[in-house]
Amino acid sequence: QKEVEQDPGPLSVPEGAIVSLNCTYSNSAFQYFMWYRQYSRKGPELLMYTYSSGNKEDGRFTAQVDKSSKYISLFIRDSQPSDSATYLCAMKRGSGGSNYKLTFGKGTLLTVNP
Amino acid sequence: DTEVTQTPKHLVMGMTNKKSLKCEQHMGHRAMYWYKQKAKKPPELMFVYSYEKLSINESVPSRFSPECPNSSLLNLHLHALQPEDSALYLCASSQEGDYGYTFGSGTRLTVV
Repeated sequence: QKEVEQDPGPLSVPEGAIVSLNCTYSNSAFQYFMWYRQYSRKGPELLMYTYSSGNKEDGRFTAQVDKSSKYISLFIRDSQPSDSATYLCAMKRGSGGSNYKLTFGKGTLLTVNP
Repeated sequence: DTEVTQTPKHLVMGMTNKKSLKCEQHMGHRAMYWYKQKAKKPPELMFVYSYEKLSINESVPSRFSPECPNSSLLNLHLHALQPEDSALYLCASSQEGDYGYTFGSGTRLTVV
């Protein structure tokens, strides 16, 4: 079983739809969770960073963490064509030492159609 | 300044060449990283520098040699690469502690 599972898609939605992206993980040592957006041929851009279970909102984006189920989600409201990109979940165990390492999901390719 | 700047953006090199990738950040971050990303795959960690000291080497072949001259700069020296080393090389940085990582736009490397 991989440490982090993410459905690679592709996912295609109409403009204005609510998008739900998800990752599951098996290592209960993961404490910090991130969502990155990566446009084609560009570096990943940090969208959300969360620690505790619960919800965190930033504009049209909401990150949700359920540590008891080992499940994280990213919701995008009122999706726009400019949201078309690959979305990567990432997580790490803590700070310092070997905990610097981010473990990524495979990424989900999202297309928002006008 | 909230950016990680990588140069060059594109690089084509022969298998006998020596080249270097450069990364710069002025956010005061004390941890810096090199990642390698193949097409349609997530980034893979290569090296971590913490306070200018090599903290993690993910068993990377010696043809890749990292260097951290100061707290703002990170280099990756390349020598005798193979065609399978062609990839997007990403630099990232973070504050010490529990924070997200800021990535650069990457150097797209082609080995011929």
